[in-house]
Amino acid sequence: SQQGEEDPQALSIQEGENATMNCSYKTSINNLQWYRQNSGRGLVHLILIRSNEREKHSGRLRVTLDTSKKSSSLLITASRAADTASYFCATFDRGSTLGRLYFGRGTQLTVWP
Amino acid sequence: SQTIHQWPATLVQPVGSPLSLECTVEGTSNPNLYWYRQAAGRGLQLLFYSVGIGQISSEVPQNLSASRPQDRQFILSSKKLLLSDSGFYLCAWSVSPTSSYNSPLHFGNGTRLTVT
Repeated sequence: SQQGEEDPQALSIQEGENATMNCSYKTSINNLQWYRQNSGRGLVHLILIRSNEREKHSGRLRVTLDTSKKSSSLLITASRAADTASYFCATFDRGSTLGRLYFGRGTQLTVWP
Repeated sequence: SQTIHQWPATLVQPVGSPLSLECTVEGTSNPNLYWYRQAAGRGLQLLFYSVGIGQISSEVPQNLSASRPQDRQFILSSKKLLLSDSGFYLCAWSVSPTSSYNSPLHFGNGTRLTVT
């Protein structure tokens, strides 16, 4: 079953603009992870934020987590055409002992040069 | 460094034919292993996961099965494919259960399966 739900489903911006994607989930979590998928390829892990963290940075990526609202956001600053991809959030449920990650449907980001 | 190999990259099979997709991991021991399926324009559906040789858990009942004959080998099979089995199949691994709470998944490049 899916846990996270990304919003919007599709996002189209110009190079240099910032892109913000949101993720909502339903249960208590240990951590939330963001992945990127280029067309026809496997997913690549971008960043992990633990349930006791509120914000995390990695290069041009900024992730926030609000456990009271059960939501997260991924911000890509100064976007580039190479950032064009699908972005997925995935949650690791609290109480899960077997490392299962549940993914949302993803946000398709298109960055125009 | 760890690597994950998944093959074949693409596969076209007729309805009712068998299926075998293979995934191997190198450079790590006792990994968690996963099979996900991604339908067109959809998210990832967890099909099977394994925490050790011969230990397989199924998330969704269907005509697919999985096996783990060796520590770093994970196989997805079907005796008779259905049209609905078409999709993009992804294998992934993560570190062993004792420290997996905050470890990411590492994915292969996927197999595009078309059932005709």
